[in-house]
Amino acid sequence: AQSVTQLDSHVSVSEGTPVLLRCNYSSSYSPSLFWYVQHPNKGLQLLLKYTSAATLVKGINGFEAEFKKSETSFHLTKPSAHMSDAAEYFCVVILSNFGNEKLTFGTGTRLTIIP
Amino acid sequence: EAQVTQNPRYLITVTGKKLTVTCSQNMNHEYMSWYRQDPGLGLRQIYYSMNVEVTDKGDVPEGYKVSRKEKRNFPLILESPSPNQTSLYFCASSLYGTGGQNSPLHFGNGTRLTVT
Repeated sequence: AQSVTQLDSHVSVSEGTPVLLRCNYSSSYSPSLFWYVQHPNKGLQLLLKYTSAATLVKGINGFEAEFKKSETSFHLTKPSAHMSDAAEYFCVVILSNFGNEKLTFGTGTRLTIIP
Repeated sequence: EAQVTQNPRYLITVTGKKLTVTCSQNMNHEYMSWYRQDPGLGLRQIYYSMNVEVTDKGDVPEGYKVSRKEKRNFPLILESPSPNQTSLYFCASSLYGTGGQNSPLHFGNGTRLTVT
């Protein structure tokens, strides 16, 4: 079975300070991992994806995530938060098994930016 | 502009009154899916469709129906809505597969449904 756990339901940071959103996964197979972002009153948008190439993945808007197999983690980071980063972020794990792919969404982390 | 369009954005209805939420994509995507989003539960898949005339249940299909008569449209039907179906609903599509590594999902802007 596969699952994904977002360790914080809400994170608040000051503008200009680093952002860390934590995600741990469990999967019997090599996973594909994604981060999606949801701005208020909008649908989800792909931020970045890990697909077994480089372990450090760069996404849009200055975000990046590092896949750490030993820690089963895929944490999302950004060096300096901007007001426009305020949104909800979802970690997603995909298990590929005999050609079938199953997506599992985390419960989300709401990021608040303090001016 | 490439997009997934859902209508309506907001809907308030009463228990038992049939309703349909429409979803249309203009990207010629094979795969379409419906999700519901509830606080603390993330997104849960209701139904999905790998292609025209092919639909299958997701994780929470009870109380919902779908159809895929044309490639671009994937309506969600609630034959007899109940208050526990009050939620935020998202339609999504991808070129092929299930929104996996080679074909990520594109989402609509959501439909907020309230059933009283």
